[in-house]
Amino acid sequence: ETGVTQTPRHLVMGMTNKKSLKCEQHLGHNAMYWYKQSAKKPLELMFVYNFKEQTENNSVPSRFSPECPNSSHLFLHLHTLQPEDSALYLCASSQDNQAGGGGNEQFFGPGTRLTVL
Amino acid sequence: GENVEQHPSTLSVQEGDSAVIKCTYSDSASNYFPWYKQELGKGPQLIIDIRSNVGEKKDQRIAVTLNKTAKHFSLHITETQPEDSAVYFCAASSGNTPLVFGKGTRLSVIA
Repeated sequence: ETGVTQTPRHLVMGMTNKKSLKCEQHLGHNAMYWYKQSAKKPLELMFVYNFKEQTENNSVPSRFSPECPNSSHLFLHLHTLQPEDSALYLCASSQDNQAGGGGNEQFFGPGTRLTVL
Repeated sequence: GENVEQHPSTLSVQEGDSAVIKCTYSDSASNYFPWYKQELGKGPQLIIDIRSNVGEKKDQRIAVTLNKTAKHFSLHITETQPEDSAVYFCAASSGNTPLVFGKGTRLSVIA
């Protein structure tokens, strides 16, 4: 257990569905991250929240919408996804002192395996 | 921005042998270099990290070396065991930017 939990662990959805991924960290960290991990690509950073403020958005399509209501919870809202969005979505957290996030260990959750039909 | 290259993409070694994975980075401002291990069905987990004020760090069978002049760092695993089989990722950060990861190395330790 890393102190970062993600639900659900597996999700199958159609292209017209709306679903949400949830991440919770119990480590008292102030930064949280969403990554996409595909079979043949490195870990792709999607969003960074530091002190609940979004500080990074790596040109992610608008069909992915993050929400960070507090420093312990992070959501990724999904709507009208495409089959190429099928991947493992990883959440991470860290204790960072700078606005951009980085320079300290990131703790990852187990991921949500998403399949878009 | 930062770019991290990792080699090899796959590596097979006999149990008991050593394994070496190498990474290069492009941003001379990077000063934090972690290595993560990802086992099947799990998220990446930090196994060792190094900061730019040191050249080498060791933790039991795992060691990391850093050459700031050449902008490369390496992971060394000695006396490999089957449970070392996993995907390993290197990463780099300047401290005020998020980590940039390499593409990963799939290590197989053959018993």
